Amino acid sequence: QVQLQESGPGLVKPSQTLSLTCTVSGGSISSGSYHWSWVRQPAGKGLEWIGRMYSSGSTNYNPSLKSRVTISGDTSKNQFSLKVSSVTAADTAVYYCVRGYYDDIDDWFDPWGQGTLVTVSS
Amino acid sequence: SSELTQDPAVSVALGQTVRITCQGDSLRSYYVSWYQQKPGQAPVLVIYGKNNRPSGIPDRFSGSSSGNTASLTITGAQAEDESDYYCKSRDRSGNHLVFGGGTKLTVL
Repeated sequence: QVQLQESGPGLVKPSQTLSLTCTVSGGSISSGSYHWSWVRQPAGKGLEWIGRMYSSGSTNYNPSLKSRVTISGDTSKNQFSLKVSSVTAADTAVYYCVRGYYDDIDDWFDPWGQGTLVTVSS
Repeated sequence: SSELTQDPAVSVALGQTVRITCQGDSLRSYYVSWYQQKPGQAPVLVIYGKNNRPSGIPDRFSGSSSGNTASLTITGAQAEDESDYYCKSRDRSGNHLVFGGGTKLTVL
């Protein structure tokens, strides 16, 4: 059974770079018809897809965040990471890592990590 | 605003049937998946594909789609179904993923 666990600083200063890592157990990030995504949720608000990394290593980002986001993988550690640059208070949110399954007409997320709160504040 | 539109709030009497909808042009081409989120918890997949339930999801949850509208139906709603529900699919380009704004379900 695949499990995901987010880790990283809970507090980031404005204008700095937010960095999070997702450790995957029970499955390999480099195999299968999967992608590995990041999703965030500001307090009291809805879910926002940030971007994804396919098992091949290629990436795909939310157009609204593309200029500030990088997702990368480390197959030796079976981890994938998120970097968001030039953060502001608007980037304060719970960040989730998720596994996605996809085919020509379908995409779904399962499972999800438990989420980690990142606060942007000086 | 999201490319997928959901009603912000829906209510249902205990034991009755409720339909939560998700509208978007991309739904004419792509399936939607549905997620249940309880306060303080990560979302959980409840429906994916044409109408598939992951293991452990009660069969009172079902999905359907017609034109640009997808629906999540709960037949015989239980108190534990009170949650936020989100739909997710691809955008019009098919290259990116989008969530609906979410629907808060209240079980009366």
